[in-house]
Amino acid sequence: EPEVTQTPSHQVTQMGQEVILRCVPISNHLYFYWYRQILGQKVEFLVSFYNNEISEKSEIFDDQFSVERPDGSNFTLKIRSTKLEDSAMYFCASSETGFSGANVLTFGAGSRLTVL
Amino acid sequence: TQLLEQSPQFLSIQEGENLTVYCNSSSVFSSLQWYRQEPGEGPVLLVTVVTGGEVKKLKRLTFQFGDARKDSSLHITAAQPGDTGLYLCAGVIPGTASKLTFGTGTRLQVTL
Repeated sequence: EPEVTQTPSHQVTQMGQEVILRCVPISNHLYFYWYRQILGQKVEFLVSFYNNEISEKSEIFDDQFSVERPDGSNFTLKIRSTKLEDSAMYFCASSETGFSGANVLTFGAGSRLTVL
Repeated sequence: TQLLEQSPQFLSIQEGENLTVYCNSSSVFSSLQWYRQEPGEGPVLLVTVVTGGEVKKLKRLTFQFGDARKDSSLHITAAQPGDTGLYLCAGVIPGTASKLTFGTGTRLQVTL
């Protein structure tokens, strides 16, 4: 069964430090996403990415966040200067298509970010 | 902002009982998906419903999309301990590529 893999599984960082979370989407998928889940809260959309550019982003995805597909397999989320409130589980997802309707997202297991 | 409210938030039942989880919104969604999330893992898709009034069955799980595409329900028949987990509904916002709005979640515990 193809899967989305994420690294690291857990990262602890000091406030103000830069963090890069990495994801390897399913190989034939063209659309990529980042979601986050603060402990005890619901899963929230951050950003979607297609054809090497951001398709949509939420109000959470401010200038401190950026995404990149540096090569043919990795999809990264960078947080430039972490804040305490960035502590969350970050989920990467990918899908074959991006059309509304019966689009199927496959989620990774998540990267837990703890900002001290 | 489109919100999806799930009820109940927590449900603890005994093996063999039936249960229904509800997912409600005042907004219309292009489609609605149900996920199950285990501790320390990402959400895993159970089903997608697209058409208003659509009913899908997955073994003992029955999913229904409301006629107006604003709400959905998940019914589990004869619950088993293996059904224990966090159930999430998520709607695709019309006019977006695949921006999912997730519900608040229902944590189900099935005991022997």
